Order: sequence, then C-alpha cells, then structure tokens
Amino acid sequence: DIQMTQSPSSLSAYVGDRVTITCRAGQDLNRFLTWYQQKPGKAPNILIYAESTLESGVPSRFSGSRSGTDFTLTISSLQPEDIATYYCQQSHSLPWTFGQGTKVEVK
Amino acid sequence: EVQLVESGGGLVQPGGSLRLSCAASDFSFSSHWMGWVRQAPGEGLEWVAHINQDGTEKYYMDSVKGRFTISRDNADNSLFLEMNSLRGEDTAVYYCTRVGSVGRKYDLWGQGALVTVSS
Repeated sequence: DIQMTQSPSSLSAYVGDRVTITCRAGQDLNRFLTWYQQKPGKAPNILIYAESTLESGVPSRFSGSRSGTDFTLTISSLQPEDIATYYCQQSHSLPWTFGQGTKVEVK
Repeated sequence: EVQLVESGGGLVQPGGSLRLSCAASDFSFSSHWMGWVRQAPGEGLEWVAHINQDGTEKYYMDSVKGRFTISRDNADNSLFLEMNSLRGEDTAVYYCTRVGSVGRKYDLWGQGALVTVSS
C-alpha cells in the first residue's frame, strides 16, 4: 500500500493568510493525487485532482503543486468558509489511500 | 439534481449483517466506476471497495475481503454494499462515491450512512 503522510495535523491562521498543507507519498504517483475538503458534519468535496487541476466551481484561491513526492495544497487567502479538514488521496494504485487530514481553523 | 443518496444504515450487533444502498440521480450511472469510502467516528477517510461500470471488476480493502460485497444495478441506477460478519471496527459513516471520468478522482459523494456495530 502507498503511504500518504500529511502535515500538519492542524493549523490556525488569520483570515487573509496564506496556508499550505503538505502530503508526502511513499512513491511516485504519476500525478494521481487529489485534495478534498470536508466541513464539519458533511461529506468530503473535491478541490483539486491530477495534483494541480482545479475542480470546476472551486475558488481560485485553492491551488496544488508537487515537488518530487511532496504535494502541497495552498490557500492563497484564507476565508472564514475555509474552516474544514483537508485530505490528500493517492489514486495511483489500489488501495486508494488518504492522508491523515489537516484541520484548519481561523484565529 | 446530480446526487447520490445512501440508505440502509443503522445499529447492528457484532456478527450481524446490513445492506447499504445508494441511489444515483441525473447522471449516466452506468458510465462510471463507483465506490464506497468510510469514516470511523472522529477519524480520517478509508477506501472500502470499488466496482467497474458493468460490475465485472470488484476490489476490496483487505480487512473486509470475504465479508463485504459491492454490487450495482445499472437498470435501477443503484449501488449496494452487503456487509456480513460485522465487527466493532466497521462502525463508521459509509459514503457512496462516484469515480470521475477523468483523473481517477471521487467527484461526487453521498451524504453518508452511519453504521454502528455494537451489542
């Protein structure tokens, strides 16, 4: 199984701050990396797929990038509605594994 | 409205069985791989099973192999998860998911069905 190591497990930032979340994969993923947002009590919602492609309807303040086997989700200007837990997921090979999640709070 | 709606969750005793259903609306259900993802209380997301478009390919996480069965009825736009020999560690919200046509992504999720395994 491909291990996904996500960090930090939680963070707190001010509205307007730039926020970054990182996921390290256990091997090359050939771009099969997806980011999801899960608001409290709700189902997850896709943000970014293929490591950097923004899903239709997702605000442009969200972006994804990669350096080697390290993947980064960036929120360029944190908004109050971004309070959520964020998960990365690899879909290179079964089982599709998720990172442990990053809980984002607003100060 | 394009959506997935799960049903069939509930409380079951250890060793018992439960069948989850997922009704798909307003998209070409038979064109998509479908899956189940679960989330234990206060925990992260965990892939459970996948099924291909015509139901001939099925894949499961190791801990549910031989106990869970994923299936689909394309005529009725429905996905199912038959769960047998349930254990306490199977307690979770189970999400029905659609695999997108591009990008190997879950691009549509149901609202979730809570399964509680307890005596």
